[in-house]
Amino acid sequence: GNSVTQMEGPVTLSEEAFLTINCTYTATGYPSLFWYVQYPGEGLQLLLKATKADDKGSNKGFEATYRKETTSFHLEKGSVQVSDSAVYFCALPLTQGGSEKLVFGKGTKLTVNP
Amino acid sequence: EAGVVQSPRYKIIEKKQPVAFWCNPISGHNTLYWYRQNLGQGPELLIRYENEEAVDDSQLPKDRFSAERLKGVDSTLKIQPAELGDSAVYLCASSLDPAGYQETQYFGPGTRLLVL
Repeated sequence: GNSVTQMEGPVTLSEEAFLTINCTYTATGYPSLFWYVQYPGEGLQLLLKATKADDKGSNKGFEATYRKETTSFHLEKGSVQVSDSAVYFCALPLTQGGSEKLVFGKGTKLTVNP
Repeated sequence: EAGVVQSPRYKIIEKKQPVAFWCNPISGHNTLYWYRQNLGQGPELLIRYENEEAVDDSQLPKDRFSAERLKGVDSTLKIQPAELGDSAVYLCASSLDPAGYQETQYFGPGTRLLVL
């Protein structure tokens, strides 16, 4: 079945550093891929998504490209800020037993220091 | 526009006690989800409603968990009796389109449950 594997954290960076959080997936077909972010004390919110192969999702300076050749959807940002400190989740839909649900990775905690 | 509202934000109970969580989704969102998020893990779906109908409850431990969504708006998730392993964050989410998981889900802040 469909699954995601995320880079384990935590990740600690200095402000203005380059960020990469790896996400690889196993899927039947080409489902949409998502990155959700969870800021401290808040619920998850959609950061970006890509609906087909070679699509690039982008938001708030973050980017991720849907790469079917490497089955990856890595999250990148060129210059992180302290306000980017959060937990980041990669996700994709899974159809199982006739029902569909969104499957999340374990999350990667990012801390950005001034 | 108000987001997904959940209450309470925190709950501490002793094992074998009952507990209930409440969720008010974004106005107009027909699909409502309850997730459980264990420490250091991603959310896992417990139940999904389309309007007032539970269309996927395959992951809900039905011996102790129950949920309802009266009138297709607010929802309540109940655990009775609670066990130590139920300690987690319970997240509610809603989405506009019931057609599947291509639609963006909007999450509430969650209820953090601690069972002693």
